[in-house]
Amino acid sequence: DIQMTQSPSSVSASVGDRVTITCRASQGINSWLAWYQQKPGKAPKLLIYAASSLQSGVPSRFSGSGSGTDFTLTISSLQPEDFATYYCQQANSFPITFGQGTRLEIK
Amino acid sequence: QVQLVQSGAEVKKPGASVKVSCKASGYTFTDYYIHWVRQAPGQGPEWMGWLKPNSGRTNYAQKFQGRVTMTRDTSINTAYLELSRLRSDDTAVYYCAREAIAGTPNYFDPWGQGTLVTVSS
Repeated sequence: DIQMTQSPSSVSASVGDRVTITCRASQGINSWLAWYQQKPGKAPKLLIYAASSLQSGVPSRFSGSGSGTDFTLTISSLQPEDFATYYCQQANSFPITFGQGTRLEIK
Repeated sequence: QVQLVQSGAEVKKPGASVKVSCKASGYTFTDYYIHWVRQAPGQGPEWMGWLKPNSGRTNYAQKFQGRVTMTRDTSINTAYLELSRLRSDDTAVYYCAREAIAGTPNYFDPWGQGTLVTVSS
């Protein structure tokens, strides 16, 4: 199985800050990577797919990059509604696997 | 709008089985794969498998082979997940999720609201 490792596990930031979260795959996955946002008690929400494609309806302050084994999610200017947990997910091969999550907290 | 609505919370004893339903609306049910994902308390999501509604074909994660069954009823646009021989570590929120983009597999959007399954003696 492909292991997905996210860093950091948690980060504190302020409204307006730029934040970057990284995800590393244990083997190459080309660009088969998605990012999800999850708020407490809610289902995950797809933000980015194919490493850098923005899902319809997602604000443009979210962006993704990377290929192979190393990927990043960037939020250009944090808004109050962005404080949540973020997960990466590889879509290259079965079983599909997720990272352990990055909790984004208000500083 | 595209929506997946799941059945309500369940409490089961170890060794029992549970069946969770996922009713789809707002799109053609047979055009998109349905995936099942679970999330234990405080953990990341864990993929369980997919169902192709137009054929009933399935693909299960090896971890769940022999205990999981995914089925569908196309007459009512509903997918089902059944998990047998439940253990305490099966306690989790179980989600159904649709393939986000037809023909681009393995990205999930939207998701159902989740069904909490608690396994306790």
